[in-house]
Amino acid sequence: AQSVAQPEDQVNVAEGNPLTVKCTYSVSGNPYLFWYVQYPNRGLQFLLKYITGDNLVKGSYGFEAEFNKSQTSFHLKKPSALVSDSALYFCAVRVSLIGGSYIPTFGRGTSLIVHP
Amino acid sequence: IAGITQAPTSQILAAGRRMTLRCTQDMRHNAMYWYRQDLGLGLRLIHYSNTAGTTGKGEVPDGYSVSRANTDDFPLTLASAVPSQTSVYFCASSLTSGGVRELFFGEGSRLTVL
Repeated sequence: AQSVAQPEDQVNVAEGNPLTVKCTYSVSGNPYLFWYVQYPNRGLQFLLKYITGDNLVKGSYGFEAEFNKSQTSFHLKKPSALVSDSALYFCAVRVSLIGGSYIPTFGRGTSLIVHP
Repeated sequence: IAGITQAPTSQILAAGRRMTLRCTQDMRHNAMYWYRQDLGLGLRLIHYSNTAGTTGKGEVPDGYSVSRANTDDFPLTLASAVPSQTSVYFCASSLTSGGVRELFFGEGSRLTVL
């Protein structure tokens, strides 16, 4: 079984400050980890993914995420938040299964609010 | 414009009625998914299809059925709608070959069952 936890329902940050949105995972195989963003009344959009290699991955809109195998975490970060970053953020995991499916499992989402 | 089209965007439905949510993609993705999004529960997988002609059950399949007659279309049917099926429904697609692929999502269908 695979699962993803986003421990914070909401994260508040001032514009210009660094932001972190937390994600931890639990899988029985090699994890493929993703971050998606959802703006109001829209579908989810892909931000970035970790497959293998460098633990720090860079994605769209200046976001990056750090994979930490020992802590089973994949936190989303941005050095300087913008008001326009305010949205709902989802972490997801897909497990590599030989001969199996690649069914993605999503966390419950974290609402990021960036204050001017 | 390439992507996923969902219809209708919004619908109010009486309990007991049958409803089909449509999903079409033009990216030739082999895999397609239906999720429902509920406040505090995030996205939950209803049904999926890894390729045309095959389907599988997700986390919350009861009360829903799907079919995958071809690559492009993946309709979701509620045979007899109940109020607990009030939700926002998202269709998604992806490739499952050539590396690990992200999902592409439609804009969603907001369904209210009274």
